[in-house]
Amino acid sequence: DIQMTQSPSTLSASVGDSVTITCRASQSISDWLAWYQQKPGKAPKLLIYKASNLESGVPSRFSGSGSGTEFTLAISNLQPDDFATYYCQQYDVYSWTFGQGTEVEI
Amino acid sequence: QVHLVESGGGVVQPGKSLRLSCAASGFTFSNHGMHWVRQAPGKGLEWVAVIWYDATDKYYANSVKGRFTISRDNSRNTMYLQMDSLRAEDTAMYYCARGGGGTNALDYWGQGTLVTVSS
Repeated sequence: DIQMTQSPSTLSASVGDSVTITCRASQSISDWLAWYQQKPGKAPKLLIYKASNLESGVPSRFSGSGSGTEFTLAISNLQPDDFATYYCQQYDVYSWTFGQGTEVEI
Repeated sequence: QVHLVESGGGVVQPGKSLRLSCAASGFTFSNHGMHWVRQAPGKGLEWVAVIWYDATDKYYANSVKGRFTISRDNSRNTMYLQMDSLRAEDTAMYYCARGGGGTNALDYWGQGTLVTVSS
């Protein structure tokens, strides 16, 4: 099975900052990588699909990049609503796997 | 508007069974693959199972293979997860999620139903 490793586990930032979260796959997954945001007590929300495609309705301050085994989620001009936990998710041959999550905190 | 509502969670003893349901509305259910994803208390997300739009294919995480069965009834716009031989480590919030067509992402999620396995 493909393993997904996110870093960092926790990220401290301030409103207005730009931050980057990295996700590494144990083997190449082409661009089958998605990013989700989850707030406490809520369901995850899709932000980015196929590594770099912004889901409809998601603010343009979120962006994704990468292919193969290394991917990044960038958030510019961090807003109070962005403080949450972020997960990457890969797809490979009928198996979906999530990273362990990155908590973005104030 | 896409709406997914899970039900059927509760407290169950180890070794017993439980069936979860996911009622869908606001989209053509029979056009989409559907997933179950779980989250143990304070932990990350774990993909559990997927069923194709027409139920011809089903795939499971190794942790539940042979114990859980995913199914769907397109006439009722509902998906199910039959969970047998439950273990303490199956304790989690269980979410249903819609497959996003050709993206292999999960584009809409329900609010979840809590399953607690405890004696």
